[in-house]
Amino acid sequence: ETGVTQTPRHLVMGMTNKKSLKCEQHLGHNAMYWYKQSAKKPLELMFVYNFKEQTENNSVPSRFSPECPNSSHLFLHLHTLQPEDSALYLCASSQDRLNSPLHFGNGTRLTVT
Amino acid sequence: RKEVEQDPGPFNVPEGATVAFNCTYSNSASQSFFWYRQDCRKEPKLLMSVYSSGNEDGRFTAQLNRASQYISLLIRDSKLSDSATYLCVVNYGGSQGNLIFGKGTKLSVKP
Repeated sequence: ETGVTQTPRHLVMGMTNKKSLKCEQHLGHNAMYWYKQSAKKPLELMFVYNFKEQTENNSVPSRFSPECPNSSHLFLHLHTLQPEDSALYLCASSQDRLNSPLHFGNGTRLTVT
Repeated sequence: RKEVEQDPGPFNVPEGATVAFNCTYSNSASQSFFWYRQDCRKEPKLLMSVYSSGNEDGRFTAQLNRASQYISLLIRDSKLSDSATYLCVVNYGGSQGNLIFGKGTKLSVKP
């Protein structure tokens, strides 16, 4: 299996639920990212991990909690979300944080009810 | 403020047409540039990197104009399968890098 894989593809959760999104990359990249894509808005960077260390938290509410156990895996833990958090959540990886392009996973479409 | 601006479109063109998109960026320190393609309800996929000297990949040509701070994407002989949203991405560099995405330009190629 190659590339960046995300699970689940679709997720519906209530505001009191706890769920986790999973991302795995098989490209040998050193940086991994979480992005949020809402309708009619550009992709919003949420978190960045470089060599397993979190290097950026883009003012994301604490109800989103990332975890990067190793350079190939990235999780996004979700807790007490709001309906406005419904969006497409995209994981990406890149060789490094400088000039390398991003490779995206196929995303998790999240609906919060 | 770091911004990447694109005409949202939609650009509606017939098959075989040539179409061009521009993207402007605000920070002159930008170091690298990319065009991504995103199909409806799918993830963005890298279309091509944009080099200072310009680059071409088949029917697609990307150009960079640092003086005017814009990049362009030219698609020749449009195919139905080219219908998608094209995202402009600018890396503002620095020690950690900072990728900024435009909102995208929607292209619809009609038979």
